[in-house]
Formats: sequence, C-alpha cells, structure tokens
Amino acid sequence: GIQVEQSPPDLILQEGANSTLRCNFSDSVNNLQWFHQNPWGQLINLFYIPSGTKQNGRLSATTVATERYSLLYISSSQTTDSGVYFCAVGRYGGATNKLIFGTGTLLAVQP
Amino acid sequence: ETGVTQTPRHLVMGMTNKKSLKCEQHLGHNAMYWYKQSAKKPLELMFVYSLEERVENNSVPSRFSPECPNSSHLFLHLHTLQPEDSALYLCASSQAVGYPTSQYFGPGTRLTVT
Repeated sequence: GIQVEQSPPDLILQEGANSTLRCNFSDSVNNLQWFHQNPWGQLINLFYIPSGTKQNGRLSATTVATERYSLLYISSSQTTDSGVYFCAVGRYGGATNKLIFGTGTLLAVQP
Repeated sequence: ETGVTQTPRHLVMGMTNKKSLKCEQHLGHNAMYWYKQSAKKPLELMFVYSLEERVENNSVPSRFSPECPNSSHLFLHLHTLQPEDSALYLCASSQAVGYPTSQYFGPGTRLTVT
C-alpha cells in the first residue's frame, strides 16, 4: 500500500514565526488533503490539493505530484495554530475514496 | 446541524457492555467512513460505506459491527470490547462516486474501555 511520511514529527515555534511542513508519499495519488487536528480531536479540513498550489489566509500548500510530495506553509503563526497537522493521500478507485494518513506533525506555538 | 455530527462525544464502557456510536452527515454525501485513532498511531480506516453498501472492511474484529441504514446515518455497534480498543473514533463522509474529493470529519467519540 501507499506509505505516507510527514516531517518534522514535532515543531515548536514562537508566535509570529513561519514554518514548512512536508509530506512524502510512495506512489502516485489523485487525492491529497491537509488537516489540522485541534486539541479536542476535531479534524479540520485545510486543503484539498492533489496537485498545484492553493492559499487560504496565512496558510498555503503546494503539491508536486510527479515528485510525490506536498508542503504546507504556515506564516505568522499564532497560538491557535497549535495541534497536529495530518497529510492524507488516496488513489481513487471503484466506489470508494479512502484516505491513508501520515503520522502527523505536532506543532506547538508559544506566545 | 451542519457538517458531520457524532454522538456521544465521550463514552466509558465495561468490557461486557454493548453500546453504539452514531454519526450523521448533513452534506448530501453518499459515502461514509469509520476511522480509529489510537495514541501515537496514525488514523486507521475501519469501514467504508458507499451508497449504503459496505465496500471495505479493513480486518476489523467482529466485536465492531457497522450499520448504515441510509446515506446520512452511520452507526458503530460495540460489544465485548477490550481495553486496547480505547481510542478516538472518527466518522467522515464524502462524495464517493465518480471522482476523488474531500472527506469531512465529525468531532469524534472518545471511547474508554474499562
């Protein structure tokens, strides 16, 4: 099956700093999502980005599908950005749209 | 209610109890999923339902029994659980047929088996 690796596993930032999170995957995919899991466990959709670049406020993401990686950029980080960031990939087939998750990056933003 | 809802949010049960987790999606989707998130492990897909038919069962023990009575509701029936089944159980939904698209998650049920 497809393997998904995320780096770094842990990251501590001061408020206002920028960061880049990376997701590598082992096979071609046509579905890639970034999620933020808040301290209460809720997974929040950040981006649906199987290829290309998208931006939403202070967050942006780039997926280079041919090289099998995706990057999530967080600029001017805030304490509310703390939590775990997951990359999930999938290869659509048949009647399902299942995702395979990486192990996540635990981000702590300190005031 | 909007998005994907799950009840209860927290559940403590003994190993001999029978309980059910409920998930409801208000997004007009026709695929629903159960995931398990244990401490220090990535999310694991348990079951997939597409158009109310189970299309995937990832070697989940029979003490977990899913049910999808219609495209908006998904249940996970639990019986004779083990302490290692304590985890966060997440439900998700998506449009399954025709093209890859986003999955949307509920807030989860945090289960503790004593």
